Amino acid sequence: DSGVTQTPKHLITATGQRVTLRCSPRSGDLSVYWYQQSLDQGLQFLIQYYNGEERAKGNILERFSAQQFPDLHSELNLSSLELGDSALYFCASSVVPFGRLTGNTIYFGEGSWLTVV
Amino acid sequence: DAKTTQPTSMDCAEGRAANLPCNHSTISGNEYVYWYRQIHSQGPQYIIHGLKNNETNEMASLIITEDRKSSTLILPHATLRDTAVYYCIVRAGGSGGYALNFGKGTSLLVTP
Repeated sequence: DSGVTQTPKHLITATGQRVTLRCSPRSGDLSVYWYQQSLDQGLQFLIQYYNGEERAKGNILERFSAQQFPDLHSELNLSSLELGDSALYFCASSVVPFGRLTGNTIYFGEGSWLTVV
Repeated sequence: DAKTTQPTSMDCAEGRAANLPCNHSTISGNEYVYWYRQIHSQGPQYIIHGLKNNETNEMASLIITEDRKSSTLILPHATLRDTAVYYCIVRAGGSGGYALNFGKGTSLLVTP
């Protein structure tokens, strides 16, 4: 158990709909990351938040958005869903203080399976 | 970030050491080598990382060549539960945390 909690574990929804995936990072971790894994694309970095602020963006579509709340949990919002959005969505977290150029151990949750039909 | 090259797949007999190579010939001085693994459809699991020196933990050993252009992850006594995709990632050190970019990895099959 990595300590990163994701809900829901499975979700089936129709095209055009909107869903929200939730993530609770490990206790004390300030950074949260979202990744998408589909069969043909592998594990793709979407977005990172650090202590409530967006820190880095990867291959995140404009239809997707995320936020990190004051209690450090994060939500990934996926809207106008398409069949191609069916994938495993992983949340991960890490704690690396600012001011130190150091390695970064990222811990992943077990993912949320999204199926768009 | 430096590009990494890993074999697509490898086999290992149960109980033997699994040696997974990774080539990162363009690595820079401030780039770390990370290893993660993913057991089918589970969340990626951190194994080990290093900068210059060899590292060992309860899961594995990481051997980095002196010129840092390649590394080997060693699972000393592979079990069937070590069957997974293993990812070698190179990334510069940073402040405040930073994302890791996963490639295709090596699919390791441990056989009885």
